[in-house]
Order: sequence, then C-alpha cells, then structure tokens
Amino acid sequence: AQSVTQLGSHVSVSEGALVLLRCNYSSSVPPYLFWYVQYPNQGLQLLLKYTTGATLVKGINGFEAEFKKSETSFHLTKPSAHMSDAAEYFCAVSFNNNDMRFGAGTRLTVKP
Amino acid sequence: DTAVSQTPKYLVTQMGNDKSIKCEQNLGHDTMYWYKQDSKKFLKIMFSYNNKELIINETVPNRFSPKSPDKAHLNLHINSLELGDSAVYFCASSKRENRNFQETQYFGPGTRLLVL
Repeated sequence: AQSVTQLGSHVSVSEGALVLLRCNYSSSVPPYLFWYVQYPNQGLQLLLKYTTGATLVKGINGFEAEFKKSETSFHLTKPSAHMSDAAEYFCAVSFNNNDMRFGAGTRLTVKP
Repeated sequence: DTAVSQTPKYLVTQMGNDKSIKCEQNLGHDTMYWYKQDSKKFLKIMFSYNNKELIINETVPNRFSPKSPDKAHLNLHINSLELGDSAVYFCASSKRENRNFQETQYFGPGTRLLVL
C-alpha cells in the first residue's frame, strides 16, 4: 500500500538550532515528494518539491530536503531555526496515479 | 491581489442542511482542487477538476459535488450535512495537471465548517 508517514507530531527547537522534520513513504512506483507549510489560520504553502533530477532540493525560507530512495525518506532540514518558522509542516507524496497523500503533519515550535 | 480566495471563511450550520462553499482563483490556472482537513490535521484530496475532467476521490460521499461555472471557479456543494462533515475545506489551483501533481498548487485560506 502507498502511504506517507511523518515521524513526530510535534518538534521543538531553540532559535538558531537545526531543524529536522522526518518524512518516510512507502511506494512501489517512483514518487513525487513535497513539503508544505501551514501557518495558523492560513492555507498551505509549498516549501519545496522533488520530481526528477537532483535529489537535494532547496526551497524557500532556507529549507531543503533530500530524497533518499534507499531509505524511502524525504526529510526536511534547515540549519538555523527562526521564530517565524513556527508552523505546521506537511509532507506529501504523489504516486503518479492521480492520488496525492499528505502526512499527518508536524508542528514545529521555536523557543527563544 | 488574492490568488485563491474562498467564501465564506466560517460556516456554522445545522445537520441536514445543504450548503455551498465558493472558490475563485485569479492565477489563470487550468486545474482546481478541493481538500478536507479534519480536526487531527489530516489532509485529504476530495476532487481535482480541469475543463475536461473531474476526478473524484472514491472515498468522498456523493453528497459532495463540485461545480465549475468557469475556469476560475470551483464551488463545493454539500447536501444533507452530517456532523462528520465538520472540518476545514481548502480549495487549491495549479497549472495544467498531468495527474502527477508536479505542478505547484496554490491554496486558499480555508473554510471552517461546523455542523451542529
């Protein structure tokens, strides 16, 4: 079965610390991978996506993610957290069959 | 200037009623979508639609129906509302869709539906 899993519903980091949000998927076909951010009371905004080509993808706001096929992972990272990064982050996967699955989301809290 | 807009922002209604949520995009996109986000933040695609094809998630009850008067609008009609329909509904749009969701989707701010 095709699915996407985000490990950790809540991640808390200090300002300036590394941000690591985990996403794993299971699929029998090559997936397309996305990270979205949702600020309170707003819609989702695309941070970055992987479709083909380079497996390290850079997105907006200093975020990046690396597609690791052997680990079926697409973890999101940022070297130094800012207070403004506090939000809900969703990993999403498209399995090339007109179906798009979202993870359950990870709430990122940034402490001063 | 709003790219994808939805109305109303909040909707509180009684069980059994019929309601509609409107969505408009001014990005010139060909494809529009409806998503449902439940209280646990799970987000599920309900429909994707362009001027040629409506694709329905098979898990969506037929009480839900999208209606598109033109390329810039995709409204969501819900008949006989149930308690379990309470959720946040997001509209989104993208350029021509090739079933792979490769194109970036732009989301509206959401409509918070509460069924009493």
